[in-house]
Amino acid sequence: EAGVAQSPRYKIIEKRQSVAFWCNPISGHATLYWYQQILGQGPKLLIQFQNNGVVDDSQLPKDRFSAERLKGVDSTLKIQPAKLEDSAVYLCASSSLAGGRGEQYFGPGTRLTVT
Amino acid sequence: GENVEQHPSTLSVQEGDSAVIKCTYSDSASNYFPWYKQELGKRPQLIIDIRSNVGEKKDQRIAVTLNKTAKHFSLHITETQPEDSAVYFCAASKADKLIFGTGTRLQVFP
Repeated sequence: EAGVAQSPRYKIIEKRQSVAFWCNPISGHATLYWYQQILGQGPKLLIQFQNNGVVDDSQLPKDRFSAERLKGVDSTLKIQPAKLEDSAVYLCASSSLAGGRGEQYFGPGTRLTVT
Repeated sequence: GENVEQHPSTLSVQEGDSAVIKCTYSDSASNYFPWYKQELGKRPQLIIDIRSNVGEKKDQRIAVTLNKTAKHFSLHITETQPEDSAVYFCAASKADKLIFGTGTRLQVFP
């Protein structure tokens, strides 16, 4: 099966600019996650979708980050305006089963550098 | 909320030796414990997982053990090979939300 797709793979922006990331999960996977992975750390969950509804966005900095999954398939994550500390790899993952019963498959990530 | 601690942060072993990475978690309701391997610049990939109703699971050279009472779980890699060199992350999950440890950089020297 095709894996989780993400684009772009790399992005360099200046602080206060905006940026958007796109994710297409594995076909049929109802649950989609966005993680932020800062260099040298483990992935940190930003937001979790079940179909097109938000399950958990408690760690999402909502003053600058937003995410949507309008049709319950692909998703976009936006940062506006970006700060230096947003430099990280943004990973998208998907899972076929809810309730902690399914393996999460990760995409290749988008490496964001904010200068 | 859940907190996952992982040790050691770096681990160097000789090829053929065993490697052990340990994690502790705080939320006794966590019920799913995967381990991910992440090579430099690549995505995390699941290598083994264990659920709270099982104490040990093996898959060829890797095994995971879980002690629910003590709230800790460990990854064991036997007969290490240079291609095992990577960063390994443990995670704990409750209700489909993964909390990751801080990672262990494993280096296997030939």
